[in-house]
Amino acid sequence: SQTIHQWPATLVQPVGSPLSLECTVEGTSNPNLYWYRQAAGRGLQLLFYSVGIGQISSEVPQNLSASRPQDRQFILSSKKLLLSDSGFYLCASRRTGGNNEQFFGPGTRLTVL
Amino acid sequence: SQKIEQNSEALNIQEGKTATLTCNYTNYSPAYLQWYRQDPGRGPVFLLLIRENEKEKRKERLKVTFDTTLKQSLFHITASQPADSATYLCALSNDYKLSFGAGTTVTVRA
Repeated sequence: SQTIHQWPATLVQPVGSPLSLECTVEGTSNPNLYWYRQAAGRGLQLLFYSVGIGQISSEVPQNLSASRPQDRQFILSSKKLLLSDSGFYLCASRRTGGNNEQFFGPGTRLTVL
Repeated sequence: SQKIEQNSEALNIQEGKTATLTCNYTNYSPAYLQWYRQDPGRGPVFLLLIRENEKEKRKERLKVTFDTTLKQSLFHITASQPADSATYLCALSNDYKLSFGAGTTVTVRA
């Protein structure tokens, strides 16, 4: 099965600072990759997904961007963080041609002060 | 726009009883419906997937039903245990993207 690595686990950043969250995947090739944000007590909101290297689709307009420089690497970035960017960020992977299930990483808890 | 509702935010049950969770959706015709378990501070973990042409799916003490006419899925945990305490999320999809409900938090009392 797949293993999803995310770091850091927690992050506290001031408003206006940049952000870079990294996600790497083991155990599969050419996966579909996803970034979600989860607010406290809420469901998962899909932010970005990627079906291949360099291919990024954005689901909601926002202050964030994503990149996929390698097959199993997915990066979430921001040039200037806002208070509203606080949340629990989850990276997920889906095996191409698989059963549609997604494997999630451990998440990053981001607090913007 | 599509909407996914899970019956209640919290469900408290006695150990050994059956927990039944509901997932209702509107403005959507999903090909797949999935259930995930999420523990506090952790990422969701896949439990079960049921296709639109399937009525019921079982895995150990878990059972999922899918009624495309009612636009509803029921998720049952039989012989519940304190270790089953967690938040359970339903998710719908037609392709490679998932749309999640807000989840139901289940607490099983010993």
